[in-house]
Amino acid sequence: GNSVTQMEGPVTLSEEAFLTINCTYTATGYPSLFWYVQYPGEGLQLLLKATKADDKGSNKGFEATYRKETTSFHLEKGSVQVSDSAVYFCALSDVGTGRRALTFGSGTRLQVQP
Amino acid sequence: IAGITQAPTSQILAAGRRMTLRCTQDMRHNAMYWYRQDLGLGLRLIHYSNTAGTTGKGEVPDGYSVSRANTDDFPLTLASAVPSQTSVYFCASKRESGEGNEQFFGPGTRLTVL
Repeated sequence: GNSVTQMEGPVTLSEEAFLTINCTYTATGYPSLFWYVQYPGEGLQLLLKATKADDKGSNKGFEATYRKETTSFHLEKGSVQVSDSAVYFCALSDVGTGRRALTFGSGTRLQVQP
Repeated sequence: IAGITQAPTSQILAAGRRMTLRCTQDMRHNAMYWYRQDLGLGLRLIHYSNTAGTTGKGEVPDGYSVSRANTDDFPLTLASAVPSQTSVYFCASKRESGEGNEQFFGPGTRLTVL
């Protein structure tokens, strides 16, 4: 079945540091890949996505590239801010199933200190 | 404002009681989903509905039931709550076409079963 593996958190960084959150996946077919972000006390919201190999998704300074050869979709940001503190979820679409749902990783908590 | 609403925001429930979590969307999306979020496990799919009148089981359906009488509403019922159903529950929706389409999430319901 499909699965998503994310790096364990929490990740603690100082403001303006470089961020990488690793995400690898196992899937049949060619899923779309997503990063969702959850701010404290809120629901999830889409951060970025990529629908095919070598696509790069980007938003708010974050970016991730769909790497089919390494089955990865690592999230990066060049300079984090305190306001980026949140939980980040990597997810893939359930291609080839009737569910058309998402399979999520366990989430990575990011804490950015001033 | 278009989006997804969930009710209640939070609830404390005695074990053995019946509970219905409500979810309503006004985006006319065909597909709707229920996930539960547990620490260290990410979000797991409980039930889904690809269109009004149809439902399907997700990854963790036991102890839960759903109905989809119309496009807008997708209630989740716990027939006899147990402590292991303590979790945060998120409803989501998506336009049917395109597996790369974004899922939109509600603000969540925090349920505690004692």
